[in-house]
Amino acid sequence: DAGITQSPRHKVTETGTPVTLRCHQTENHRYMYWYRQDPGHGLRLIHYSYGVKDTDKGEVSDGYSVSRSKTEDFLLTLESATSSQTSVYFCAISRTEHGYTFGSGTRLTVV
Amino acid sequence: GQQVMQIPQYQHVQEGEDFTTYCNSSTTLSNIQWYKQRPGGHPVFLIQLVKSGEVKKQKRLTFQFGEAKKNSSLHITATQTTDVGTYFCAGLTGTASKLTFGTGTRLQVTL
Repeated sequence: DAGITQSPRHKVTETGTPVTLRCHQTENHRYMYWYRQDPGHGLRLIHYSYGVKDTDKGEVSDGYSVSRSKTEDFLLTLESATSSQTSVYFCAISRTEHGYTFGSGTRLTVV
Repeated sequence: GQQVMQIPQYQHVQEGEDFTTYCNSSTTLSNIQWYKQRPGGHPVFLIQLVKSGEVKKQKRLTFQFGEAKKNSSLHITATQTTDVGTYFCAGLTGTASKLTFGTGTRLQVTL
């Protein structure tokens, strides 16, 4: 869908380990976003990027960091995974009048 | 911070009945967008409303943006089983095209 892919699609990891999720786009969009989706909370913004090396925090950024060294890649890192970070993670790009295009998501389970 | 609430959280209808979900923001929005997420899928952009009082239609779906640009609604006429999913509104404020998503309304349609 609009050239945005997330990897991995599923991951199970242990508490305390670092985890990196990858978002890759092929359309050179400036803005990229990481959201998490949990029952009863909808989609909540973790971090976003407005260009290479330009990132900022969203509403639920504690315990997460991001990096964007190339326009096409936006990485989300859980520095030390906790059970509260078990969630579905979506990456998105902004396409102005066409809204956001989301990746297929990463289902992360922290045990 | 900005909050976007949606009601109802869940609605179960019989095929052919109408459905409406309402969205309310704590702040004035630049625009409002609507997304649909099928079970197990990712959110998909439906429409964007920008002007105060704007009404847009897509086949059986009617979208409205309130006069004060703080509320919106999505109405589906004569629901079909293909309408099953969760509908999210999302408000655009501030910079970097950030969206704040509502909590979503899950629609179940049975024959």
